[in-house]
Amino acid sequence: NAGVTQTPKFQVLKTGQSMTLQCAQDMNHNSMYWYRQDPGMGLRLIYYSASEGTTDKGEVPNGYNVSRLNKREFSLRLESAAPSQTSVYFCASSETGISPQHFGDGTRLSIL
Amino acid sequence: AQSVTQPDIHITVSEGASLELRCNYSYGATPYLFWYVQSPGQGLQLLLKYFSGDTLVQGIKGFEAEFKRSQSSFNLRKPSVHWSDAAEYFCAVASTDSWGKLQFGAGTQVVVTP
Repeated sequence: NAGVTQTPKFQVLKTGQSMTLQCAQDMNHNSMYWYRQDPGMGLRLIYYSASEGTTDKGEVPNGYNVSRLNKREFSLRLESAAPSQTSVYFCASSETGISPQHFGDGTRLSIL
Repeated sequence: AQSVTQPDIHITVSEGASLELRCNYSYGATPYLFWYVQSPGQGLQLLLKYFSGDTLVQGIKGFEAEFKRSQSSFNLRKPSVHWSDAAEYFCAVASTDSWGKLQFGAGTQVVVTP
């Protein structure tokens, strides 16, 4: 099983450019999440989607937008990239809000 | 405010020795507790979870963790470490009060020496 698939795996952007990170899961999970990981800070929740058709802000939503395209797919968009958004981004999914989350392998994003 | 603390940023352990990673949490509601492991360049993998019941839980790869409500702790242990256990370990907490908002600790980097 593929589990949670993220694309792309690596990306370099210039300040001000826009980009969409894609995430798809094949486990029929209801909930999906986007995190960013920065050294010494663990993972911080950007946005989450409790179920298809709903999205909510997490701890660090500024500068990001999300779309829950269908039950399988949850995308993260940077409208105008800033160097502070250089990070590793992880998508995750779970059956419910308190079920264990399954993670993708991450997208390493550098903004110059 | 809800928080998760992993006091040790970095731990070095000899292969074959025991390992204990500390996790303390501050949550008002009943916590749901998790330990995840992250190998370099990979996503996070669930090691074990505690929801209720027996306070000593077993996980994958020979790991176990003990929930101590009085100490607000959920420490991870392994009796004998293998070189492949070198990774970063994250404690995480969720609750019904914060549905979907899994709070992670900052992580503990484990180095295994021969």
